[in-house]
Amino acid sequence: RKEVEQDPGPFNVPEGATVAFNCTYSNSASQSFFWYRQDCRKEPKLLMSVYSSGNEDGRFTAQLNRASQYISLLIRDSKLSDSATYLCVVNMKAGNTGKLIFGQGTTLQVKP
Amino acid sequence: EPEVTQTPSHQVTQMGQEVILRCVPISNHLYFYWYRQILGQKVEFLVSFYNNEISEKSEIFDDQFSVERPDGSNFTLKIRSTKLEDSAMYFCATKGGIEAFFGQGTRLTVV
Repeated sequence: RKEVEQDPGPFNVPEGATVAFNCTYSNSASQSFFWYRQDCRKEPKLLMSVYSSGNEDGRFTAQLNRASQYISLLIRDSKLSDSATYLCVVNMKAGNTGKLIFGQGTTLQVKP
Repeated sequence: EPEVTQTPSHQVTQMGQEVILRCVPISNHLYFYWYRQILGQKVEFLVSFYNNEISEKSEIFDDQFSVERPDGSNFTLKIRSTKLEDSAMYFCATKGGIEAFFGQGTRLTVV
């Protein structure tokens, strides 16, 4: 079983749509969780950390379900500029230490 | 906004040659990482570095790879004898807290 698993997509949605991405992770001992965004041939950029209580940043909402080992990202009112690959990322360790384990990414294409 | 800087942005090298990839971390960050991404594949962890020593490394990080922080600012990844399969984007990342920030990457092409 993959350590971090995502549906690769692509998700093709019209502007203004709401889209949701899901991610599962295999190790129940995982401590911290993130969504990164990656544009073609660019570096991953931190979109948001994911907290157990759920958190929101503008049009983006992230949820974590530790019992199901499941992370989600919801994007409301999609913009053309949201087109990118969204990476689900997990860290086994709390605090500053530990390596990041990446999913293979979910590709989003927002069309006019 | 502080950022992680990597040089060169692109390196072409012949098989068997040594390459050194350089990274300038965000100042006051103490945890440093190298990741790589082969075209079309996921980002993979190579090595983590803290307090001037390797804290963790992956199976990919074999004897051909080494890291150091020679002058207290640059953080380098050396590949001693490059192979065709080393062709990838190499990303440096640094952490001051729980969140990691990535450099823009070095695209390494081994021919």
